[in-house]
Amino acid sequence: KNQVEQSPQSLIILEGKNCTLQCNYTVSPFSNLRWYKQDTGRGPVSLTIMTFSENTKSNGRYTATLDADTKQSSLHITASQLSDSASYICVVSAAGTYKYIFGTGTRLKVLA
Amino acid sequence: DAGITQSPRHKVTETGTPVTLRCHQTENHRYMYWYRQDPGHGLRLIHYSYGVKDTDKGEVSDGYSVSRSKTEDFLLTLESATSSQTSVYFCAIRGASGSLDTGELFFGEGSRLTVL
Repeated sequence: KNQVEQSPQSLIILEGKNCTLQCNYTVSPFSNLRWYKQDTGRGPVSLTIMTFSENTKSNGRYTATLDADTKQSSLHITASQLSDSASYICVVSAAGTYKYIFGTGTRLKVLA
Repeated sequence: DAGITQSPRHKVTETGTPVTLRCHQTENHRYMYWYRQDPGHGLRLIHYSYGVKDTDKGEVSDGYSVSRSKTEDFLLTLESATSSQTSVYFCAIRGASGSLDTGELFFGEGSRLTVL
């Protein structure tokens, strides 16, 4: 069964600190993996996409990694800001389909 | 901005009444999706469309129907709303750059439905 699991479920950090969010997937055949940010009361917005051949990709203070062998991805946030408070959702696409498998998200709260 | 508008944004209704949510896009994208989001669950696919009059069921389609008579509009209908359908509903489109399918999902702002 295609599944995406994220950890931790929630996380509280102080402003300026770094954090890492985890995503494990069992989707086959794998096409790509995206991280989305969802602010409270808003729709998710894509942060980055990882394809099979990519190991690391950065988008400002966000850095995503992918290990296709272990089927794990991480999202590292550097020098967190209050505006990083949101839910972060890992989404995996299976090759040959137009469907997406969503994780349940990690809720991040950044405190001043 | 992917030009997605959902309406209504908020609705409170009673059990047994019909409800229609509308998703409107201005980008002429082929693929459109309806998801529901509930605490403890990831976004779950209700129905999706791959063209005018072409739709297919998702994993939680029971109690829902959809229609797409124009490229820009994708309607989600709850024929007889139940309390278990209280949720936040998101419409999404699959992005494309010209003729290149990017695979990126662009979401609307959501429609919060409460069934009493």
